[in-house]
Amino acid sequence: DQQVKQNSPSLSVQEGRISILNCDYTNSMFDYFLWYKKYPAEGPTFLISISSIKDKNEDGRFTVFLNKSAKHLSLHIVPSQPGDSAVYFCAARKYGNKLVFGAGTILRVKS
Amino acid sequence: NAGVTQTPKFQVLKTGQSMTLQCAQDMNHEYMSWYRQDPGMGLRLIHYSVGAGITDQGEVPNGYNVSRSTTEDFPLRLLSAAPSQTSVYFCASSPMGGGTEAFFGQGTRLTVV
Repeated sequence: DQQVKQNSPSLSVQEGRISILNCDYTNSMFDYFLWYKKYPAEGPTFLISISSIKDKNEDGRFTVFLNKSAKHLSLHIVPSQPGDSAVYFCAARKYGNKLVFGAGTILRVKS
Repeated sequence: NAGVTQTPKFQVLKTGQSMTLQCAQDMNHEYMSWYRQDPGMGLRLIHYSVGAGITDQGEVPNGYNVSRSTTEDFPLRLLSAAPSQTSVYFCASSPMGGGTEAFFGQGTRLTVV
């Protein structure tokens, strides 16, 4: 029962263009959503989050959009840079501090 | 500025052996957790703790034990290793409360042969 789904295993974009990573969830009780970035042989690092009461949060080149009616969120990276190449995990918080993760999307930014 | 420290980074075990993965954090976080990462499955929660002396099961707890005697340490024990436990293990910590992200260790790559 995958409560958080990232349906695109990989995404390739050209440097300078926009990267859009998508995430769908099934549990309407999630109250917080987070994106993590992971490089090979390292632990995930927090990127950006959004509360379920908001529909957008922006931090520099990164913007997360939340569509509660569609149970969908997306991460926009503008402009994309080669250093953004990594695995991106979408995560959702149900209660307390427990996080449910998606399977991840590999982003490759070509220079 | 250590954050979350996991040891060892790599380990090879034979089926049936036991071992303990160590995790320590220096941020005085109440909440600590263990995840395993497998291809195509993201990170799955094994066990978690909301404070010293309190632990609970996550999504995939079978074959693993934990204890939390101090705020800083949260070891994960494999009682009798099986090939299905071959994975990358991550420990994470966070303060209790709303909106706070988890900080992850660098991971332990475990192979059970």
